[in-house]
Amino acid sequence: NAGVMQNPRHLVRRRGQEARLRCSPMKGHSHVYWYRQLPEEGLKFMVYLQKENIIDESGMPKERFSAEFPKEGPSILRIQQVVRGDSAAYFCASSWDGLAKNIQYFGAGTRLSVL
Amino acid sequence: KNEVEQSPQNLTAQEGEFITINCSYSVGISALHWLQQHPGGGIVSLFMLSSGKKKHGRLIATINIQEKHSSLHITASHPRDSAVYICAVDNTDKLIFGTGTRLQVFP
Repeated sequence: NAGVMQNPRHLVRRRGQEARLRCSPMKGHSHVYWYRQLPEEGLKFMVYLQKENIIDESGMPKERFSAEFPKEGPSILRIQQVVRGDSAAYFCASSWDGLAKNIQYFGAGTRLSVL
Repeated sequence: KNEVEQSPQNLTAQEGEFITINCSYSVGISALHWLQQHPGGGIVSLFMLSSGKKKHGRLIATINIQEKHSSLHITASHPRDSAVYICAVDNTDKLIFGTGTRLQVFP
């Protein structure tokens, strides 16, 4: 049973380009969470999704950022027109049920560098 | 003031020492998580607890809901325990993280 898979592990983009980060949750998990870790800072919640639904996106910037978790396929975090301040490690986690009932399993993260 | 505070920020120890990392929080929670982030960046969930105490190998986590405080203990520490330990609280289905405690254990 593979763990949470994130790809790519490293992503380099120039300012103004789009970044797409993918997350495949653990088998059987229908809850996905995205977190951002800025350099030398702690982790911050971005968005919580269940299949085809965004449950809580209170931590996600209103502009340029979007997330989806389609019925089939991985969850995608999309950042349009990237800026240098988007450079960070983006972690995805999944759980079988809602957070209070289950441990979250984390992916290895995608490290985004914006040139 | 951060909603989740950890102390100390940095900790060095000699192999074999008993380690304690503290976490205090100011919001209502349904559970508290302890995570370990390795030097390579990967994150592992160590514990999720909502009351009392849990033990796994050399790791022990306790929580006092009334005092809004949790501790993570490592007995007989080893250099491979060197990592950043992160406390996170579950607040309405999203995690709020502490800034982490960087632990280095020397042989």
